[in-house]
Amino acid sequence: KAGVTQTPRYLIKTRGQQVTLSCSPISGHRSVSWYQQTPGQGLQFLFEYFSETQRNKGNFPGRFSGRQFSNSRSEMNVSTLELGDSALYLCASGGEGGETQYFGPGTRLLVL
Amino acid sequence: SQQGEEDPQALSIQEGENATMNCSYKTSINNLQWYRQNSGRGLVHLILIRSNEREKHSGRLRVTLDTSKKSSSLLITASRAADTASYFCALRPNFGNEKLTFGTGTRLTIIP
Repeated sequence: KAGVTQTPRYLIKTRGQQVTLSCSPISGHRSVSWYQQTPGQGLQFLFEYFSETQRNKGNFPGRFSGRQFSNSRSEMNVSTLELGDSALYLCASGGEGGETQYFGPGTRLLVL
Repeated sequence: SQQGEEDPQALSIQEGENATMNCSYKTSINNLQWYRQNSGRGLVHLILIRSNEREKHSGRLRVTLDTSKKSSSLLITASRAADTASYFCALRPNFGNEKLTFGTGTRLTIIP
C-alpha cells in the first residue's frame, strides 16, 4: 500500500496570508490526525478526524481548522498566518482500531 | 498534563553500544507507543505495548512498561549509525477517544 502523502512538502508564506495543507491517508484508513512540530514546543496535536467528523481537537486558536472528505483525504487550513506558525506540519492516518499512527513526510511551512 | 516526559533529552554513544531511553507519564494509559524520527521527517512507528504487558521485543528493540511507576523504557541493542534519530514515546489514555499524546523526545546520536 502507498504510504501517507502530504502536499506541498515545502511552503513559504508571509504574515497575514492563509495556507491549506493536504493529506492523503493510507488506503482504507478512516482516521487522520494533524500535528504541529516546532523546536520549542515539540509535537503538538492539532485535530483528529474520523469518517468526516472531528473527533478530537488540540489547544490551538480558531485560525487553525481542518476537514475530512468522504474519501478520507484531509485538509488543514491556517488563516492570518503569524511568524510563530512556522513549523513542520505532520499528518498521520490510522486503521480501524486507530492505535498505530502512520505518518506522512510532513509539510514544512515558513512564514516570513 | 498527559504528555510523556523523556529522559535523557540527548544521548551520544559509540556504535555497537546499547542505548536506553526512558519515558515517564502521569495518566492512566491504554497503551504506550514508541516512534522514531529522522531529522525533520515523518515519524515511524516502532513498537506498541499495552497496559497489561510488561515487556515487548522487536528485533534489536526491547520495550518495558511499569504501570505502577508510570514509566517505560526503550532499549536499542548493538546500536548502528542508522539508529541516529529522535525517539518519542506516545501515550494513548485509558478513556474515551482521547488523542495520542507525544513526549518531548530523546535525541540519540550514534558515533561511528
